[in-house]
Amino acid sequence: EPEVTQTPSHQVTQMGQEVILRCVPISNHLYFYWYRQILGQKVEFLVSFYNNEISEKSEIFDDQFSVERPDGSNFTLKIRSTKLEDSAMYFCATGHSYEQYFGPGTRLTVT
Amino acid sequence: SQQGEEDPQALSIQEGENATMNCSYKTSINNLQWYRQNSGRGLVHLILIRSNEREKHSGRLRVTLDTSKKSSSLLITASRAADTASYFCATDLNDYKLSFGAGTTVTVRA
Repeated sequence: EPEVTQTPSHQVTQMGQEVILRCVPISNHLYFYWYRQILGQKVEFLVSFYNNEISEKSEIFDDQFSVERPDGSNFTLKIRSTKLEDSAMYFCATGHSYEQYFGPGTRLTVT
Repeated sequence: SQQGEEDPQALSIQEGENATMNCSYKTSINNLQWYRQNSGRGLVHLILIRSNEREKHSGRLRVTLDTSKKSSSLLITASRAADTASYFCATDLNDYKLSFGAGTTVTVRA
């Protein structure tokens, strides 16, 4: 069964550094999403992406965040200058209608 | 604004028993979905119920939706140790984002 994959599984970075989280969507999916889950808290929506542009973004998704599909397959989330509070699990999700299928997540630790 | 909120926060049952958890939400929705998350892992999609549906089954899972009460329930029948996980409901207002509750942590004792 097709799955959403994410790399890396765990990323440790220093405050102020840039990180890029990668997601490979399920092949026929057209909608792409990033969510994050701070340890012990709810899963929070960050951004949705459709037809090569952002459809919606939350207040969390500020100028430090960006998304793109650089090669038409991978879907990336970039954090330009990481802060301690960016430490979380970041989940990519993809879908072709209402259902969203989540990847296993990238655990980002900012030190 | 918060949408899905699960109840109870935690549930401990014996293997073979049924587990029921509830989700309440605040605004009108298109669909409601349930997900499972094993500790430290990703979210696994369990079932989607549309706003015009009242009940849906998938294997040992039964989901109900009452749009008049803005609530949903997830029933897991004949629970197994492998069902130990956190369960989340997620509502969508449009195609573009899901709003998750805080989850119900289910522990199935052998």
